[in-house]
Amino acid sequence: GAVVSQHPSRVICKSGTSVKIECRSLDFQATTMFWYRQFPKQSLMLMATSNEGSKATYEQGVEKDKFLINHASLTLSTLTVTSAHPEDSSFYICSARGGGTDSYEQYFGPGTRLTVT
Amino acid sequence: DQQVKQNSPSLSVQEGRISILNCDYTNSMFDYFLWYKKYPAEGPTFLISISSIKDKNEDGRFTVFLNKSAKHLSLHIVPSQPGDSAVYFCAASRGDTGNQFYFGTGTSLTVIP
Repeated sequence: GAVVSQHPSRVICKSGTSVKIECRSLDFQATTMFWYRQFPKQSLMLMATSNEGSKATYEQGVEKDKFLINHASLTLSTLTVTSAHPEDSSFYICSARGGGTDSYEQYFGPGTRLTVT
Repeated sequence: DQQVKQNSPSLSVQEGRISILNCDYTNSMFDYFLWYKKYPAEGPTFLISISSIKDKNEDGRFTVFLNKSAKHLSLHIVPSQPGDSAVYFCAASRGDTGNQFYFGTGTSLTVIP
């Protein structure tokens, strides 16, 4: 099956610093990548959708200047949390979808646990 | 506004018995539904899907039922195994928007040996 990786799996950073999370599709070309955030005991909340080569589409309430998303190639998308604060601590998960109008299925990465101290 | 709801946050089932996980949705425009399984500190893994043109899809021990009139779907696992213990999310999407999936809040299944 399709494999999506995320790096790093865990990161601890100090308040005010920026953190970059990478999401890679290892064996397929991902025309669309999604970034989710999961709070404890809550559902996955879609943060943004990114298509290769174009600007990301952010969901309502997500600060695009704080959560910078770059989908530079068909196999790589990055999420940069800028000027991180403790309330940004969360589990961030990316998913990727291949091309084609019938390709509904998303393949999820293993997630990145961000802790801001 | 939670468009996909899983009203049971947890479920315990004896090994070998049937596990039934339920999911309700509010948007009649949803036409594709998926179930994901998730272990702690890992990303979700795809389990099974169903299109709105069907009312049942079966894959091994997993069967998903869709009742469009009731806007309800369920996942049946039979027989349940201890390795099935995980959080299960249902998700729904609209064909005309394609991109966005709406996830339920998850049901934590514990299969007791």
